[in-house]
Amino acid sequence: DTGVSQNPRHKITKRGQNVTFRCDPISEHNRLYWYRQTLGQGPEFLTYFQNEAQLEKSRLLSDRFSAERPKGSFSTLEIQRTEQGDSAMYLCASSNRGEGFNQPQHFGDGTRLSIL
Amino acid sequence: DAKTTQPPSMDCAEGRAANLPCNHSTISGNEYVYWYRQIHSQGPQYIIHGLKNNETNEMASLIITEDRKSSTLILPHATLRDTAVYYCIVREGSNYKLTFGKGTLLTVNP
Repeated sequence: DTGVSQNPRHKITKRGQNVTFRCDPISEHNRLYWYRQTLGQGPEFLTYFQNEAQLEKSRLLSDRFSAERPKGSFSTLEIQRTEQGDSAMYLCASSNRGEGFNQPQHFGDGTRLSIL
Repeated sequence: DAKTTQPPSMDCAEGRAANLPCNHSTISGNEYVYWYRQIHSQGPQYIIHGLKNNETNEMASLIITEDRKSSTLILPHATLRDTAVYYCIVREGSNYKLTFGKGTLLTVNP
């Protein structure tokens, strides 16, 4: 049973560097979501893809953030010119097509980003 | 989406049933109740969801009151591995995002 896979699991980088995370959703899931979670808080929604189309972006996603999902399969989240405040766990989730959005979202174990 | 209220923490003895409450007094008719849990250093894990009827799966049972203003997640025989933060989320069927609160930290004690 292959769940949502995220790589890398941990990333440590210096302030100002660019980082890219990858998410491989459950196969045949056409919907993909990115969330961010800081210490002691619940995850916060960042963006949503249906197939390859990015349909919604949270205001949390500044211009330094970009997400893609080429060919509607895996997705990447890039952060340019990282800042201390970007330190967080970045979570990816996917869900199957279904009536409305009632199919549950299944999460990966996240990428923990630490900015030095 | 309607807001939810959960106790910040609860304890449960291993082998006993864990009953986690959630208040969602402003829930509307087309909003579902979802439960997720998050074990330390892992992503949230889907547990169960429902609209108005009680639901049961291999992990847990979800009891929704008749007026739908509150619900209870029941883990019938809690184990140490059930220690986690449990999130109750209310989401409208056409809304694609989950809005997490701070959840309830359930600690299962030996």
